[in-house]
Amino acid sequence: NAGVMQNPRHLVRRRGQEARLRCSPMKGHSHVYWYRQLPEEGLKFMVYLQKENIIDESGMPKERFSAEFPKEGPSILRIQQVVRGDSAAYFCASSPPQAGSSGYTFGSGTRLTVV
Amino acid sequence: GDSVTQMEGPVTLSEEAFLTINCTYTATGYPSLFWYVQYPGEGLQLLLKATKADDKGSNKGFEATYRKETTSFHLEKGSVQVSDSAVYFCALRLGSYIPTFGRGTSLIVHP
Repeated sequence: NAGVMQNPRHLVRRRGQEARLRCSPMKGHSHVYWYRQLPEEGLKFMVYLQKENIIDESGMPKERFSAEFPKEGPSILRIQQVVRGDSAAYFCASSPPQAGSSGYTFGSGTRLTVV
Repeated sequence: GDSVTQMEGPVTLSEEAFLTINCTYTATGYPSLFWYVQYPGEGLQLLLKATKADDKGSNKGFEATYRKETTSFHLEKGSVQVSDSAVYFCALRLGSYIPTFGRGTSLIVHP
């Protein structure tokens, strides 16, 4: 049973391009969470999705960022018109519907570099 | 709101030294508490957890006890190894709410 799969592991984009980050949750997990990790700043929550629904996007910038988790396929975090400040590691985590006191399962992350 | 405060790093130790990484929390209920570890270039891995007061989580020689009276969940290990060098995150979760993470504490262990 594969864990949470994120791809690509590394992504380089020029300023103004679009970045698409993919996350396939663990089998049986229908909840997906995206976090951003900036150097020296720890882990910041961005968005929480269930299949076809955004549950909480309070941590996601209002402009240029969007996320989806379609009925079929991986969850996608999209960053349009990237800027240097978007350079960070983006982590996806998943959990089952009744996670309760259980922790998450994290992917290995996508390291985005904007040049 | 809920929050987690960790001691600032880096924590630098010699091999076989005793480790403590402090973690305190603020929550409006009775959260579950977690420690995650992030090795260089990798994602976070669950290290241990505790779901109620006085529970002790343990794994790979690491331990942490859920102290409700001091709202703390300090991570300890009796004898660290070079391979323990990583960033350690304390986290809390209230029911099905989104977990809240601390800022992480970097541990560097020298041979």
